[in-house]
Amino acid sequence: DADVTQTPRNRITKTGKRIMLECSQTKGHDRMYWYRQDPGLGLRLIYYSFDVKDINKGEISDGYSVSRQAQAKFSLSLESAIPNQTALYFCATSEDRGHYNEQFFGPGTRLTVL
Amino acid sequence: GENVEQHPSTLSVQEGDSAVIKCTYSDSASNYFPWYKQELGKRPQLIIDIRSNVGEKKDQRIAVTLNKTAKHFSLHITETQPEDSAVYFCAIRRVGTYKYIFGTGTRLKVLA
Repeated sequence: DADVTQTPRNRITKTGKRIMLECSQTKGHDRMYWYRQDPGLGLRLIYYSFDVKDINKGEISDGYSVSRQAQAKFSLSLESAIPNQTALYFCATSEDRGHYNEQFFGPGTRLTVL
Repeated sequence: GENVEQHPSTLSVQEGDSAVIKCTYSDSASNYFPWYKQELGKRPQLIIDIRSNVGEKKDQRIAVTLNKTAKHFSLHITETQPEDSAVYFCAIRRVGTYKYIFGTGTRLKVLA
């Protein structure tokens, strides 16, 4: 089945370290998103991309950067991780097909910054 | 600006009762309103959605209603079952964009 995958699934790192979270999809969707989930705060948009040449900042992009290496791959980087970036991170995809607008989420990456 | 308020943050109901979750938004240009369900330890998944040209949509035990004038939409779950226990998120999307803004979530507990 076509799917959205994320690596790693869990990561513990230290303050100041650089870390990359990767997302791959086999759905053939153009649109890819990175969200952060914190208890009580819901899903907050970090970055989104409509195609390889298009990158857009979301609500909380400070401290993060992204790279859209190909239609199927969208990576999120923390250049210098800090403890308040400890959260559950989700990648998602969607496609532009008129009324069909469902977002498909990956399984999530749980990141802990010590 | 874009903002979505979701209430309540937690909701406990007895099995068989109904549950209602409400979201209020500020951007009058929003035209798409999905609801996602996230079971414990799982990824969010779409359960129902509605567009701005429709006032109500139903799918078996779940329904969504939209009041464009008042800028709010609600999720209704009837005859709740233990497997309905999860966190539910509403979201909005502005016309002409593919950027989604999510509510803060409602943790629903269905008590057997």
